[in-house]
Amino acid sequence: DAGVIQSPRHEVTEMGQEVTLRCKPISGHDYLFWYRQTMMRGLELLIYFNNNVPIDDSGMPEDRFSAKMPNASFSTLKIQPSEPRDSAVYFCASSPRTGDYAEQFFGPGTRLTVL
Amino acid sequence: DQQVKQNSPSLSVQEGRISILNCDYTNSMFDYFLWYKKYPAEGPTFLISISSIKDKNEDGRFTVFLNKSAKHLSLHIVPSQPGDSAVYFCAARDRDDKIIFGKGTRLHILP
Repeated sequence: DAGVIQSPRHEVTEMGQEVTLRCKPISGHDYLFWYRQTMMRGLELLIYFNNNVPIDDSGMPEDRFSAKMPNASFSTLKIQPSEPRDSAVYFCASSPRTGDYAEQFFGPGTRLTVL
Repeated sequence: DQQVKQNSPSLSVQEGRISILNCDYTNSMFDYFLWYKKYPAEGPTFLISISSIKDKNEDGRFTVFLNKSAKHLSLHIVPSQPGDSAVYFCAARDRDDKIIFGKGTRLHILP
């Protein structure tokens, strides 16, 4: 398996533009997570899905952020409109389950810069 | 309010010596603890974990110790190797099955 795939790897955009980040989880994994990493706040969970259904989106910072998982092999995180403070590295991760072995497999991340 | 705290942003250790990374938590309901390792331009990768019913778990050069009364865990790496230079994240699972991460500690292994 190729692991968790994220695209794009880098995104530079201007304030006010819409940004869409994409993720393909590992096949067979039931859980998908979106994280944001910043120097100030470290690695924050934004939202996670179980079997394509959003379970907890309490980490989504504002209504400008939305995430979807239309099928088991694809998820998007959208920011509209984007702001400079959204600049961060966004990680997608998947997990077969969150039982005793709660290992999550992370993608390489998307580095977002909003000018 | 940070539930998982890594108070040392960075740590330097001589190659061959022991590296000790520390982590404190505030939520007594956490039932599972994990350590992740992250290299630049890559996502974090799972390293080792421990259940809250145990106080030690060992995997090769890596050992995690859990002190529930102090709400403290530590990761020991011995002997430290150059490839261990990375950022290490401490994480804990809450009863909603969410994984809460600390801010990370950057470990430098010196030649």
